[in-house]
Amino acid sequence: GAVVSQHPSWVICKSGTSVKIECRSLDFQATTMFWYRQFPKQSLMLMATSNEGSKATYEQGVEKDKFLINHASLTLSTLTVTSAHPEDSSFYICSAPRGDSGKNIQYFGAGTRLSVL
Amino acid sequence: SQQGEEDPQALSIQEGENATMNCSYKTSINNLQWYRQNSGRGLVHLILIRSNEREKHSGRLRVTLDTSKKSSSLLITASRAADTASYFCATDASRGAQKLVFGQGTRLTINP
Repeated sequence: GAVVSQHPSWVICKSGTSVKIECRSLDFQATTMFWYRQFPKQSLMLMATSNEGSKATYEQGVEKDKFLINHASLTLSTLTVTSAHPEDSSFYICSAPRGDSGKNIQYFGAGTRLSVL
Repeated sequence: SQQGEEDPQALSIQEGENATMNCSYKTSINNLQWYRQNSGRGLVHLILIRSNEREKHSGRLRVTLDTSKKSSSLLITASRAADTASYFCATDASRGAQKLVFGQGTRLTINP
C-alpha cells in the first residue's frame, strides 16, 4: 500500500527557534498534501493544503507566516513552525491523497510530536 | 471546520462484543470514509462507502450510510484487544479539493 513518511517523529525545541517537519510520499507522487494539527483526545484540525509548485492554501485562522509550507517536489512537503512558542506544542500530521479512481483515500504520516520549552 | 459529529465520544466494551460507532455530517458528500488512529500515531484508512451505497463490509467491519439522515455507522464485530484505538469518520464533499472533513472521533477501548 501507499506509504507516507513523516520526520521527525518527536522534537523538543526551545522557545523562539524554528522547527521543520518533512512529509514524503514514498511510492507515489503527491501534487497535494495536507497538514493537520491534533490536540490530545481531539480530532484533526486541517491547517493547510500544500500544493506542489505553488503556494499553500491555509485554513481560516492559521497564520501563514507562522507555519511555512513548502512543496518543492512531487514527493516532499515541509512544514516549518517559525519562532515556536509553548502554545505551538502539539501533534502535527501530514497526509497525501492517492488517485485510486477518484476515491480520495488519504495516506497519513505517523505524526510529529512537537514540544516547545 | 469539523462538520462531523460522532457518538459516542468514548466506548468501552469487553473483548468479543460488537462495537458500534455513529457519525453525522452536514453537507452533501461524494463518499464517507472511516479511519483508525492508534495512540500517538497517524491515521489508517479502514473503509470507504460511496454516497450511492447503503452498506459495505470488509472483514469484521460493517459500514452503513443513510444520506437522507446524513449519518453513518461503523460496526466492528467480535472485537479484539487490538481494536483499541480512536476511530474517525471523514467526509469527502468536493471532487476537486480532495479535502476530507473529520469527525470528532470515538475512543474505543476493548477490555480483555
